[in-house]
Amino acid sequence: DSGVTQTPKHLITATGQRVTLRCSPRSGDLSVYWYQQSLDQGLQFLIQYYNGEERAKGNILERFSAQQFPDLHSELNLSSLELGDSALYFCASSVAPGGTNIQYFGAGTRLSVL
Amino acid sequence: EDQVTQSPEALRLQEGESSSLNCSYTVSGLRGLFWYRQDPGKGPEFLFTLYSAGEEKEKERLKATLTKKESFLHITAPKPEDSATYLCAVQVGNNDMRFGAGTRLTVKP
Repeated sequence: DSGVTQTPKHLITATGQRVTLRCSPRSGDLSVYWYQQSLDQGLQFLIQYYNGEERAKGNILERFSAQQFPDLHSELNLSSLELGDSALYFCASSVAPGGTNIQYFGAGTRLSVL
Repeated sequence: EDQVTQSPEALRLQEGESSSLNCSYTVSGLRGLFWYRQDPGKGPEFLFTLYSAGEEKEKERLKATLTKKESFLHITAPKPEDSATYLCAVQVGNNDMRFGAGTRLTVKP
C-alpha cells in the first residue's frame, strides 16, 4: 500500500458528461501529480500541484482541470467527455516538488466513457 | 526533445533464466532515473532511483545500473511473481517526469 488513496476505483459514464476524480496524498506529502495511462500512450503527465498551487502542466486538455485543497487532497475534473478519454487515471504524491523526490502512486481510477 | 525508450517491449523468461531490461534516454539535465513495477490494473510501485552514472542499486533479484545514456534492470533467477510491467522514468528539470512505454515481463514456471 503506497498510502495514496484514489476514489472511485471505477467510473462509467457517457460522452459529454463531467466527472470528478479524487486523490488523497500520503501523509506529509505536499505535492500531487496526475497522470493518464491509456493502452496506446503509456503514462502521460497531466498536471502537478504543490501545497495548493499549480506547479507544472503537461499534456492536459483544456476540458480537464484540477485543484488541490487546503487539506492537500486533490481533484481532477474531466468535462465534455469523449470516448478517447477512457483510460486509467493515476495520482501520485511526493514530499516536495521536483528535485529527485520519489513519486508514490495510487491504485488509479479506471474511467470508461461509453 | 527529451525521450525515454525501453526495450524489449515484451520479454518471456523461464523461471531461473536471468536477463536484462534496457532503458535508454536522451534528455537534457537529467535529475534522476526511476524504475517502477506495475501489475495489471494497479498503480506503479517504486523500485529504485539512480542519480549518477556508475551508480548501482539492488533489491532481492533486481539490480539497476546507470550510464550516461541508459539504464539496465538486471533480473537474476526470476520467479513467476516477478511477472509485471517494468517502467523507467526520468526526472528532467524540477517537475517533469517522462515515462517509457515499459517492458512487459512474463516468467513461466
